[in-house]
Amino acid sequence: KNQVEQSPQSLIILEGKNCTLQCNYTVSPFSNLRWYKQDTGRGPVSLTIMTFSENTKSNGRYTATLDADTKQSSLHITASQLSDSASYICVVPREAAGNKLTFGGGTRVLVKP
Amino acid sequence: EAQVTQNPRYLITVTGKKLTVTCSQNMNHEYMSWYRQDPGLGLRQIYYSMNVEVTDKGDVPEGYKVSRKEKRNFPLILESPSPNQTSLYFCASSQIGSVLGYEQYFGPGTRLTVT
Repeated sequence: KNQVEQSPQSLIILEGKNCTLQCNYTVSPFSNLRWYKQDTGRGPVSLTIMTFSENTKSNGRYTATLDADTKQSSLHITASQLSDSASYICVVPREAAGNKLTFGGGTRVLVKP
Repeated sequence: EAQVTQNPRYLITVTGKKLTVTCSQNMNHEYMSWYRQDPGLGLRQIYYSMNVEVTDKGDVPEGYKVSRKEKRNFPLILESPSPNQTSLYFCASSQIGSVLGYEQYFGPGTRLTVT
């Protein structure tokens, strides 16, 4: 069954600290994996897209890693800011099904001053 | 400004009263899609379209209809809304289908309540 699971479900961190979010997937065959940031009540915004051959990709203070062998990805937030408070969603397309996407349940991050 | 717009942003309606949520994008994207987001269930795909006159079911298409008569527009139609369709709806578009790695741009969302 094609699944995308994220952990933790939520976390609280102090401003300036780092944190790492996890994403495990069972979608096969694999083409790419995306991380989105979703502020409360707003549409998701793309942070990174990683293809099979990429291990690490950065977007400012966000760094995503991908291990296609273990089917795991992580999103690392460096020097967190209050504006990082949001849900972070891992998404993997189901290539065999065409353009259908499997979404993880998301990790809700709260950055406190 | 490149964007995906949805209307209305908020809608309260009654069971059985047909409604349409519009979605429009100004990026000349071929691919468009509708999602619903519910607490504890995350985002789920309703319908998607690869191009004009080409639509296909997502994971939760029951109770919904779509059409793609123009490239920029992809309306979501609820012929007979029911309370279980109360949800937050997002429209999204991308350059080509997601399997090729193009990022999707999401609209601001439409919060629908069916009483």
